[in-house]
Order: sequence, then structure tokens, then C-alpha cells
Amino acid sequence: SYELTQPPSMSVSPGQTARITCSGDALTDQYAYWYQQRPGQAPVVVIYKDTERPSGIPERFSGSSSGTTVTLTISGVQAEDEADYYCQSADSSGIIDVFGGGTKLTVL
Amino acid sequence: QVHLQESGPGLVKPSQTLSLTCTVSGGSISSGNYYWSWIRQPAGKGLEWIGRIYPSGSANSSPALKSRVTISVETSKNQFSLQLNSVTAADTAVYYCAGNLYDTTGYSTVQHWGQGTLVIVSS
Repeated sequence: SYELTQPPSMSVSPGQTARITCSGDALTDQYAYWYQQRPGQAPVVVIYKDTERPSGIPERFSGSSSGTTVTLTISGVQAEDEADYYCQSADSSGIIDVFGGGTKLTVL
Repeated sequence: QVHLQESGPGLVKPSQTLSLTCTVSGGSISSGNYYWSWIRQPAGKGLEWIGRIYPSGSANSSPALKSRVTISVETSKNQFSLQLNSVTAADTAVYYCAGNLYDTTGYSTVQHWGQGTLVIVSS
């Protein structure tokens, strides 16, 4: 079955830049989505279609794509950005969606 | 603003069927370019995509769950539903429903999520 691979955890200090990667073979053909999930809350999309930012999401969140890897970048990390981040995309058929395993971002 | 609310039993016995309903408000389930999804999350673990359905009734589901999953839509009630058969303790999770507005390329551009509902499988 198709898988998306993320680092399980990452730590950054406030004001620094966090880059969370997500790798999968079909990412060359399928868009990726990034979700932020705080404890006890439903996930919220912070990036859609690789690079697009929904209204209401701070500009410090950005997305990029290169080959089989997509990256969520959080510039000038703030304490409130501490959360779990998940990527989501589809397999090569475009029919079956998959989530990455998630990355726990800790703001030191 | 589209709002989604999950409902259903919070406790299901092993081997029985888990049944959840998602009620959509603030818009018609059959209007516009929307598809409707189910996602789950076991405690302390990651998100798992279960499947999606279009207002036409066309549905897709995760290969890992496909043999046990039925997703249906009832446009007259503005609801869509999830049935998961032959449940075990491994199916204990928070279950989310979500609505996705998609563009002309078929990709989601706006998402609305329910708050999630905890389903425990236990005798």
C-alpha cells in the first residue's frame, strides 16, 4: 500500500524556521495537503495543493514541492505553532487518499 | 459557513457494526463541487483516511478497510453515513467527517471538519 513518510518529531526555538518534509513516490503527480492538529482538536488545513495557503492561515506557513518530497515551512515559529502536523495526498490512481504518520513539532 | 456534526453510538461491541452519521448544515450536501469524507484517529496515533463519497453516491475507501466499510449519502436529510462491520478493539478511535470543496481539477481547495466523535469497541 502507498505510504507517505514524515519525521516523527522536530524541535525548534521561537523565531527559527521549521521545515517538515513528507516523501512519497506519487507526490510527483499528486498534490499534497498539510494539516495542523492541536491536542483535542480537529485538524486544520494550513496548506493545500502543495503551496496554497487558506484564508486565515498566517503567512509564516508556506509549502513547496520538489520531486517526491513536499515541505511545510514555518518561518518565525511561534509558541502557538507547537502541534502535530500531517501531510495528506493520494496514490498514483488519485483515488485513494493517504496521510503521513505525522510530525510532532515542539517549540522549545 | 458549512458545519458538520458526527453522531452515533459511542460504544460498540466487538464483531458488531459501527454506524455513524454526519449531518451537514449551512449548505446542501448535493450542491456545488463537494465530496464528503470519513477519517479516524486512534488515541495517541495518526490520522487514517477511511473513504469519501460524492453526492451522486460514487464512493471510494481505503484498501485496508474496504471489505468492511460502507459509505452512503442521504441527500434528503443532508447527511452521509459510515458503516464499519465486524469491528475489533483496533477500530477504537475518534471518527471525523469532513467536507471538501473541489476545483475544476478535482482537488480540494476548502475543507470543513466535524469536531470528531469517540467510538470505543468493547464488550
